[in-house]
Amino acid sequence: DAGVTQSPTHLIKTRGQQVTLRCSPKSGHDTVSWYQQALGQGPQFIFQYYEEEERQRGNFPDRFSGHQFPNYSSELNVNALLLGDSALYLCASSLAGDTYQETQYFGPGTRLLVL
Amino acid sequence: AQTVTQSQPEMSVQEAETVTLSCTYDTSESDYYLFWYKQPPSRQMILVIRQEAYKQQNATENRFSVNFQKAAKSFSLKISDSQLGDAAMYFCAILNQAGTALIFGKGTTLSVSS
Repeated sequence: DAGVTQSPTHLIKTRGQQVTLRCSPKSGHDTVSWYQQALGQGPQFIFQYYEEEERQRGNFPDRFSGHQFPNYSSELNVNALLLGDSALYLCASSLAGDTYQETQYFGPGTRLLVL
Repeated sequence: AQTVTQSQPEMSVQEAETVTLSCTYDTSESDYYLFWYKQPPSRQMILVIRQEAYKQQNATENRFSVNFQKAAKSFSLKISDSQLGDAAMYFCAILNQAGTALIFGKGTTLSVSS
């Protein structure tokens, strides 16, 4: 059973640049959520995608955008990178409509460093 | 707004001993879901255990069990027969009212010594 996968593992960017992170959900899942985890902190919800639409968004600026493809995989895009965007970005998948839809399973994350 | 508080930044335990990690939360909902996740140095966030608020019975998964006190809004995790592999950051989380976002506490770093 394939788990949640993310790419790349690590990424180094410069202030002002743009970055795209990718996520493939766990086999059978159709919903993808993105979280930002600063060092030593708990993850913060960025947004969730279901049926290729943004279902809910957390308190993040419009520089953060996303997309979900017909095969349920997802991308997180961050424009005009700031030093403060340096963090671990986690993707989580779940299955909408299931009695256990509330359980989100996480990928290994992408470590982004902005210089 | 829902909040989660983990008041123990660090905890330590010896192998084979039992340790309890504390978590309190705040919500105005009567039905909700609570979770404990484990994040080892490898960074992968791993689900440890989940609890539905409408179930009075405490959830159990092998050596992991919870003490869910709904009236007190408390959700502690007990790890029995601790193993070296249990060393990790442990996060308590509640699912938001929309059923979309997990709201996490700041975590507790657990160290296990032999």
